[in-house]
Order: sequence, then C-alpha cells, then structure tokens
Amino acid sequence: DAGVIQSPRHEVTEMGQEVTLRCKPISGHDYLFWYRQTMMRGLELLIYFNNNVPIDDSGMPEDRFSAKMPNASFSTLKIQPSEPRDSAVYFCASSRDRAYQPQHFGDGTRLSIL
Amino acid sequence: AQRVTQPEKLLSVFKGAPVELKCNYSYSGSPELFWYVQYSRQRLQLLLRHISRESIKGFTADLNKGETSFHLKKPFAQEEDSAMYYCALLYNFNKFYFGSGTKLNVKP
Repeated sequence: DAGVIQSPRHEVTEMGQEVTLRCKPISGHDYLFWYRQTMMRGLELLIYFNNNVPIDDSGMPEDRFSAKMPNASFSTLKIQPSEPRDSAVYFCASSRDRAYQPQHFGDGTRLSIL
Repeated sequence: AQRVTQPEKLLSVFKGAPVELKCNYSYSGSPELFWYVQYSRQRLQLLLRHISRESIKGFTADLNKGETSFHLKKPFAQEEDSAMYYCALLYNFNKFYFGSGTKLNVKP
C-alpha cells in the first residue's frame, strides 16, 4: 500500500501563477484533510472532506485558496493567484470513519512562490 | 478557543536518559489528545492517543486535566527516537489542532 499520494513533491513558481496540488487518499478512507505547515504557524488544518463533501473550510486563509474532491480517490488544492507568503509545505491526510482514527499523511508538497 | 502549546522547539538528551516532551492544551470541551511523530525522511504518523492508554515504543502519555497537560515520556531514550514530535488536540469531532512541534535529538 503506497499510502496517501501527493503530487508534485516540490513546486517552484512565480507570484501570480496558479498552483494546483493533488492528493490521492488511501482507498476506503472516508475523510480527507488538507494541512499547511510553516515555521511561523506550524501545522494548520485548511479544510476537510467527508465522503467527498467539504465539511469545514474555516481554515482556508483566503478566497485565493480552493479545494475540491470530485471523487473518493482524488482531491485538489488550488491557489490562484499565488503569493510568496503561500510558500509552505502542504500535507494531505486521510482517515477511516472518524477523524480520531489515525490520520495517514502523505509526503507533502513543498511549495515555493518566488 | 482551542490551543496546543509545545514550549520546547528542541530537546537534546543523551542515550539512556529519561525524556519528557511537554504539551499543554486549552479546550472548553472534553479533550482527546494525540502524539504524532515524524522520523527523518518518513511521513508524519500517529504515535499514541490518550484514550488507548497504551505504550508505544516505550513512550507513554497521561492526560492531566487539572494541569491541562499531555506530556510524552520515555524512561530511557534511544537514538532512533530522534524525530519531530507533535501534540494534537481533536476538537469539534473531526478537527485536529496541532502544536508547533518539538524536535527531539538523542545523542549517543
């Protein structure tokens, strides 16, 4: 089992460009979470889905951020337009049934906005 | 509002010494607390949760509601324990609030 798969692993782009991060959760997991990790703020929950439906997006910093989960095996986090302060490591995690089940994290995407 | 505080960014101990990673929380509801760990070049993973009252890799953590703490302890640290440790609070049924993390360095 490859676990949660995120792509790309690294992304470097210029300010103003659109960025799309991708995540494939573990098969059979009902919950999917997007986190952002920075030195200043640590690991923050951005949004989570249950059965492909966004449940809570209160952690999404601005309207420039959007997330979708078109099916049980794929989710995207999009930033448009990107800004240098969006530079961070973005993690995707999935879990079965309820959030207090172990969350399985992907390797993360290291995003640098120049 | 909920909050998790890990006061130490870095903790260095010698192999065989006891280790305690501190975690304090603030939450008006009934807390469910966890420790997650990230070893070098590995993914963030669950280490233990307070409801299980388990010992994993020699680590234990006791929830102290009076002191609002959930410190992680191990009596004899090993070099392979070197990693980044995150304390996390589950709130509103499905949301995790992570502390800023403590890097544990176990020296030979």
